[in-house]
Amino acid sequence: AQSVTQLGSHVSVSEGALVLLRCNYSSSVPPYLFWYVQYPNQGLQLLLKYTSAATLVKGINGFEAEFKKSETSFHLTKPSAHMSDAAEYFCAVSGGYSTLTFGKGTMLLVSP
Amino acid sequence: DGGITQSPKYLFRKEGQNVTLSCEQNLNHDAMYWYRQDPGQGLRLIYYSQIVNDFQKGDIAEGYSVSREKKESFPLTVTSAQKNPTAFYLCASSGTRRGYNEQFFGPGTRLTVL
Repeated sequence: AQSVTQLGSHVSVSEGALVLLRCNYSSSVPPYLFWYVQYPNQGLQLLLKYTSAATLVKGINGFEAEFKKSETSFHLTKPSAHMSDAAEYFCAVSGGYSTLTFGKGTMLLVSP
Repeated sequence: DGGITQSPKYLFRKEGQNVTLSCEQNLNHDAMYWYRQDPGQGLRLIYYSQIVNDFQKGDIAEGYSVSREKKESFPLTVTSAQKNPTAFYLCASSGTRRGYNEQFFGPGTRLTVL
């Protein structure tokens, strides 16, 4: 069984500041991990995924995430926030074949 | 362009009526999924199908039904037994090979019960 915990339902940053969105997972098998972004009234778009290759994964729009097995974490970062990054972000985990289990999401707010 | 389409974008229903949400994909994916999204609750899995003519219940299947007669199509029926159907519904599809199961999402259907 898998589960995901996203710390903080809302995160606020200033434009140009570091973005850090936290995700911790639980999995009974080696996990596959994903980050998705959702803009208002739209579907989810894949930002990046970890599939047991490199532990530092680079995604679209300047985002990256680092898989840390000892901490069971997969935090999402971006060095410098843009106004266009304001959206809801979801972390998800799977065992590789099965369905994805999603966290409850973190709303990123970016102020000028 | 390959992708997933959902229709309609907005749907209004009177209490006691069944309504069917459409989901079509041309990505040649074997697996398809339906999720319900409510504010602050993330995505909750309603039903999923990994092959034509077969599907499994997710975490919140009560009051919903599905069919999978074609690989490309996975319609969801919200029945009158669903107590609180107002929500945003998302359809997704994926491959089934290990490591290739990231899900691709449609634009969603917002259902409002009047």
